[in-house]
Amino acid sequence: KAGVTQTPRYLIKTRGQQVTLSCSPISGHRSVSWYQQTPGQGLQFLFEYFSETQRNKGNFPGRFSGRQFSNSRSEMNVSTLELGDSALYLCASSLFEVGQNTEAFFGQGTRLTVV
Amino acid sequence: DAKTTQPNSMESNEEEPVHLPCNHSTISGTDYIHWYRQLPSQGPEYVIHGLTSNVNNRMASLAIAEDRKSSTLILHRATLRDAAVYYCILRDWGGFKTIFGAGTRLFVKA
Repeated sequence: KAGVTQTPRYLIKTRGQQVTLSCSPISGHRSVSWYQQTPGQGLQFLFEYFSETQRNKGNFPGRFSGRQFSNSRSEMNVSTLELGDSALYLCASSLFEVGQNTEAFFGQGTRLTVV
Repeated sequence: DAKTTQPNSMESNEEEPVHLPCNHSTISGTDYIHWYRQLPSQGPEYVIHGLTSNVNNRMASLAIAEDRKSSTLILHRATLRDAAVYYCILRDWGGFKTIFGAGTRLFVKA
């Protein structure tokens, strides 16, 4: 079956602009989470969505937002881009069943460069 | 939030076993221990996970200390393709939140 798909793979934006990244989870997965990866900070959790609801949020400014649609696809948005937002943004999807703990499947990420 | 601590890097010879340690002394009772690895230019890949008991799968084994404050990922025979950054991660019971540590970069020598 198809894996997690993130689009676009690469993106170059200018400071002050805004950007929207897309993530299509594995079919049947209703949980989608987003991470930022930079050489200095490593992998940091941004937020997680389940059934169109944000269940958890990491320690990022309000410029970072996201949403999930009824088909479980998710988007994240970064407004007023700063140079420090340059990073690899990773999306992961997983099954969610109450009382169980399943693995997360990651996409290949979107490489965002802010100039 | 509970955190994980791993060595920055480790080195292994090909065909030899590798033991990758992880400390998570502030783990809560509902946190699962997951291991993922990340190859260059790829997203992290699931390796194994467990709660209290040791676990085995086709990729690796996970040994969990009795007090759950540490765990060890065991690659039984390292290959060159196992060279990656290995992350020890805590995920709460519902998978609501995943906390990544800094990871261990594994170098495998031929």
